[in-house]
Amino acid sequence: NAGVTQTPKFQVLKTGQSMTLQCAQDMNHEYMSWYRQDPGMGLRLIHYSVGAGITDQGEVPNGYNVSRSTTEDFPLRLLSAAPSQTSVYFCASSDKGPYGYTFGSGTRLTVV
Amino acid sequence: GENVEQHPSTLSVQEGDSAVIKCTYSDSASNYFPWYKQELGKRPQLIIDIRSNVGEKKDQRIAVTLNKTAKHFSLHITETQPEDSAVYFCAAVSGGSYIPTFGRGTSLIVHP
Repeated sequence: NAGVTQTPKFQVLKTGQSMTLQCAQDMNHEYMSWYRQDPGMGLRLIHYSVGAGITDQGEVPNGYNVSRSTTEDFPLRLLSAAPSQTSVYFCASSDKGPYGYTFGSGTRLTVV
Repeated sequence: GENVEQHPSTLSVQEGDSAVIKCTYSDSASNYFPWYKQELGKRPQLIIDIRSNVGEKKDQRIAVTLNKTAKHFSLHITETQPEDSAVYFCAAVSGGSYIPTFGRGTSLIVHP
């Protein structure tokens, strides 16, 4: 049982490039979310999903897309990277709504 | 939407002292309040939570209290140890929501 797996752990992008941050969980959790963590800003919700085929926007969705074609995977796509998207990104999942969210180990993204 | 304020942003204590972190929330319909601990370079991990029908919950050296009337909740750590040094996040979940809204975090430093 690997829990929540995020790849890559580190990434450097040039402004304007696109990429996908991967998130996979093997716990059959219905609920999955993406957060970004910036110094002094806490964890801000980007997008979330309550099941396969269902996604919705969080607090800071601009510049990001998501899809949920399977229960296991919830990738986050950066369409055209900007320096303001330099951050640490965490994926989280739960099988009970907001109760007991499990976080992945994070992806540290730098946009230059 | 829900708004969570967390104070202080930094807390420095001597080993063996108690530490208290306070959070306020805006949505009177919020009914679930988890606390997460994030050690340096690691993922956030759930350490304790409380639901709105309970005023206090304890787990060894940590406790959480909830005052629904005042819309605030607090994390209490007694007999602090150096390994308690971390960033602590409070969160609140509105009734009918699946997603926690996080505070900005408190960096707790325990000096040996």
